[in-house]
Amino acid sequence: KNQVEQSPQSLIILEGKNCTLQCNYTVSPFSNLRWYKQDTGRGPVSLTIMTFSENTKSNGRYTATLDADTKQSSLHITASQLSDSASYICVAPQGGKLIFGQGTELSVKP
Amino acid sequence: KAGVTQTPRYLIKTRGQQVTLSCSPISGHRSVSWYQQTPGQGLQFLFEYFSETQRNKGNFPGRFSGRQFSNSRSEMNVSTLELGDSALYLCASSLADGGDGYTFGSGTRLTVV
Repeated sequence: KNQVEQSPQSLIILEGKNCTLQCNYTVSPFSNLRWYKQDTGRGPVSLTIMTFSENTKSNGRYTATLDADTKQSSLHITASQLSDSASYICVAPQGGKLIFGQGTELSVKP
Repeated sequence: KAGVTQTPRYLIKTRGQQVTLSCSPISGHRSVSWYQQTPGQGLQFLFEYFSETQRNKGNFPGRFSGRQFSNSRSEMNVSTLELGDSALYLCASSLADGGDGYTFGSGTRLTVV
């Protein structure tokens, strides 16, 4: 079954700290994996798109990694800011549809 | 350039009624897809339209339908509303096959009472 699973479900960190979010996928065939940030009441905003051949991709303080062998991806946030508080969703396209993870709810406290 | 525009932003309907939601994609984008987001189920794919044709469909009942116009604007209709249809409905647009990425609108918050 095509699935995307994320962990942890929620995370609380202090401002300025780093954190890593995890995503395991079983989508086949695999074409790419995407990370989105969703603020409360808003639509998701794309952070990165990673293809099969890419191991690491950065977007400012966000760095995504992909291990196609273990079918795992991670999103690392460096020097967190209060504005990083949001839901982070891992997404994989499959057969013209998007398969979504349940998201990790990140809360950054001052 | 303008982003994906969804209207209305908020909607309250009664059980049994029907509702139509609208999505205007980014200029030049020909693919529009729709998603339902609820706290329990997360984001789920409803359907995708490309050049006025439904190209993909998720696992939702026939009460959920959509269409796309020649200017790529899309509408989604839900008939015979149920309490469980209360959700944030998101649409996303892309150039063609989504390989370039999807841009989401801010969504329509539907509450069924």
